[in-house]
This record gives sequence, structure tokens and C-alpha cells, in this order.
Amino acid sequence: DGGITQSPKYLFRKEGQNVTLSCEQNLNHDAMYWYRQDPGQGLRLIYYSQIVNDFQKGDIAEGYSVSREKKESFPLTVTSAQKNPTAFYLCASSIGGVVHTEAFFGQGTRLTVV
Amino acid sequence: AQSVTQLGSHVSVSEGALVLLRCNYSSSVPPYLFWYVQYPNQGLQLLLKYTSAATLVKGINGFEAEFKKSETSFHLTKPSAHMSDAAEYFCAVSANTDKLIFGTGTRLQVFP
Repeated sequence: DGGITQSPKYLFRKEGQNVTLSCEQNLNHDAMYWYRQDPGQGLRLIYYSQIVNDFQKGDIAEGYSVSREKKESFPLTVTSAQKNPTAFYLCASSIGGVVHTEAFFGQGTRLTVV
Repeated sequence: AQSVTQLGSHVSVSEGALVLLRCNYSSSVPPYLFWYVQYPNQGLQLLLKYTSAATLVKGINGFEAEFKKSETSFHLTKPSAHMSDAAEYFCAVSANTDKLIFGTGTRLQVFP
């Protein structure tokens, strides 16, 4: 079955550590996105990529980094510079293009700082 | 710039009652509009989308939404609520851009 796989489902991070969240898709989509979800704030865009080896900052990119070395993969690293990383992180993909088509979402990763 | 406003962070209805979730958008160009549903600790699933064809859009699970340009609205409705409809619902907009902008969400509770 085609879809988006995020791993792990739950992740615990100590303060000062970097952690990487995985996102893989087999939908042959060009565009991939990372969103952060906090209660009452909806989804906020962290980074997005329309094509391999290219990505753009979203609205809240500070403290995060991404790479897009393969079409299927778009990992997100939460760095120690992110002051409040505890949140639910969602990865999405779409066919891409200027006008946004339907986005397909993974099941999310819940990150907690301990 | 585009934006979406969802009025009411929480909506409660009785089983069998009408569901109405409100969404207003702001866009300087004709928008594409979406409604997504999220169950606890899961990703988002597309309910329906408006792409400048018919203004009344039918989606999955009996939901529908009507695009009203004069009111800049795209409210989501369902004639009769089920217990299984309890979830969080997000309205989103995209217009002449490669980004999807989400509202802050509305949590729907359904009481027996």
C-alpha cells in the first residue's frame, strides 16, 4: 500500500540533544512537508521541499534542519537550538506544483523533552 | 497573504443533530480550500476539497461544504452526527502558492 511512514511514533529527548525524525513516502510525490502541531495552534509549517536537493523554510524553521537527498525521504532534525521542541510532528507529501494539491499525512511523531 | 479562521475551538452536538463547523478564508486570488479530520494521535485525513468546480462539495463520511465567495466562507456540515465523528477538524487554504495554510482547528464532541 502506498503511503507515508513516520518513525518513531514516540520520541524522548534530553535537553541539549539533537534528534532526527524520519519520514518516508512511496507515493512518488515530489513535494514533502514538515508541520508542528501544538494544542490550540493548529499546524505550523517548519520546512518544505518541492524537489530533491532543494527545500525552503516555513514559518517556524528556527532550531530545525532538513535534508532531501532522495525523493522518498525527508528527515527532520530537531536541534538543541529549538527552545521548546515538545510537540506533535507531522510529515506530509503531495504531487506538488504551484497550486497545492491534496496533501497526504503520516501518523505523526510525538516528541517529548525530558 | 492567505489565512484561515476557524470560529469555535470546540463544538458539541448530540448524536443525530446537525454538525456545523465554520471556516472563513482570506485570499487575494481564487483559493483552493480543504477540510481535514484528525483522530487522536493520528495524522490528518482529507474530508473534501474545493478546486473551483462546483461550489457545493461532498466528501467522505457524509460531510459536505459550500464555497461562498461573497462571504469568504467554506463551512463544513453534516446533517446527522455520529459518535464516530468526534475528532478535530482543520480547514486549510492554498492560493497560487506551494504551501498549505491551516486554521487552528475545531474539536467536535458528540454526546449520546
